Amino acid sequence: DSGVTQTPKHLITATGQRVTLRCSPRSGDLSVYWYQQSLDQGLQFLIQYYNGEERAKGNILERFSAQQFPDLHSELNLSSLELGDSALYFCASSRGRQGTEAFFGQGTRLTVV
Amino acid sequence: GNSVTQMEGPVTLSEEAFLTINCTYTATGYPSLFWYVQYPGEGLQLLLKATKADDKGSNKGFEATYRKETTSFHLEKGSVQVSDSAVYFCALSDNALERQLTFGSGTQLTVLP
Repeated sequence: DSGVTQTPKHLITATGQRVTLRCSPRSGDLSVYWYQQSLDQGLQFLIQYYNGEERAKGNILERFSAQQFPDLHSELNLSSLELGDSALYFCASSRGRQGTEAFFGQGTRLTVV
Repeated sequence: GNSVTQMEGPVTLSEEAFLTINCTYTATGYPSLFWYVQYPGEGLQLLLKATKADDKGSNKGFEATYRKETTSFHLEKGSVQVSDSAVYFCALSDNALERQLTFGSGTQLTVLP
């Protein structure tokens, strides 16, 4: 158990819909990262938050957004969903210091039908 | 930009065989290097890491040495077991980019009894 909790584990939704994925980081971790894992793109960094503030953006679509709350949990919002958004979405957390590793949650598998 | 190139899979070995999975990287500055493992249906787990040149990371019989001169971080294990069957990801964390991870494409390893 990595200590990072993601809910839900599975999500099936229709095209055009909006979903919210939730992540609770390890106790004491200030950084939260979101990654997307798909067969064609591999593992791609989406966005990072540090102590409530957006710190870095990767290959995140404009239809996607995220936030980190005062209790440090994070949510990833995906809207106007398309079939191609079907993927495994991972949250990871870390202390944020140089060389410290990120711990990953088990992921949310999103299927858009 | 940063990139990680990983040995293409899948790799199939017999139990007790020697394993090498090649990984090379391109990065500015001095990244930290990681190997993550993903077992079927699970999230990513950190296998080992190295934070500076010539460091050797090791865990569960796996080893990898940070080679700055060849920009490589090859994963090795002297005697694989069936339980090592998983997908292995090489990754780097660029400290100048807030430490999000850039992943290789992953290598599927299957160990046969």
